[in-house]
Amino acid sequence: GNSVTQMEGPVTLSEEAFLTINCTYTATGYPSLFWYVQYPGEGLQLLLKATKADDKGSNKGFEATYRKETTSFHLEKGSVQVSDSAVYFCALSDQPKVTFGTGTKLQVIP
Amino acid sequence: DTAVSQTPKYLVTQMGNDKSIKCEQNLGHDTMYWYKQDSKKFLKIMFSYNNKELIINETVPNRFSPKSPDKAHLNLHINSLELGDSAVYFCASSQSPGLADTQYFGPGTRLTVL
Repeated sequence: GNSVTQMEGPVTLSEEAFLTINCTYTATGYPSLFWYVQYPGEGLQLLLKATKADDKGSNKGFEATYRKETTSFHLEKGSVQVSDSAVYFCALSDQPKVTFGTGTKLQVIP
Repeated sequence: DTAVSQTPKYLVTQMGNDKSIKCEQNLGHDTMYWYKQDSKKFLKIMFSYNNKELIINETVPNRFSPKSPDKAHLNLHINSLELGDSAVYFCASSQSPGLADTQYFGPGTRLTVL
């Protein structure tokens, strides 16, 4: 079956540091890939997505590229802010089901 | 206007009781979902309805029963609550069950079973 593997957290960074959160997947077919973010006490919300190989999703300074050859969708941001502190979920959609990774908690300190 | 709303936000109850959680979306979406998030933040799909028809029914105890009276509502009823049911339950919706469709999540219902 489908699966998503994310790097374990928590990840603690200083403000303005570079962020990478690794995500790899196993899927049959050609899934779409997503990053969702969950701020404390809230539901998940879409951060970015990519629907086919070599697509790059981007939003709010975050980027991720759909790499079919390495089955990866790593999340990156050049300069994190305290307000980016949240839990980040990598997910894949293989209609009709979405499979989520275990989440990576990011804490950014001033 | 809240896109996906859930009630109640918190639910504290005793083992053995029956409880319901309600979900409503005003996005005009055809598909709705229930997820369970445990204390380690692991998110597991439970059910999904598309146009009031059940399309995903994961391995959950029979004590959990979803009901979709119309496309905008998906409720979750839980019988004979157990300690292990304590979790945060999220409702979500999407335009369709399509491959690239974004899911929109509600704020969650924190269920505590004593």
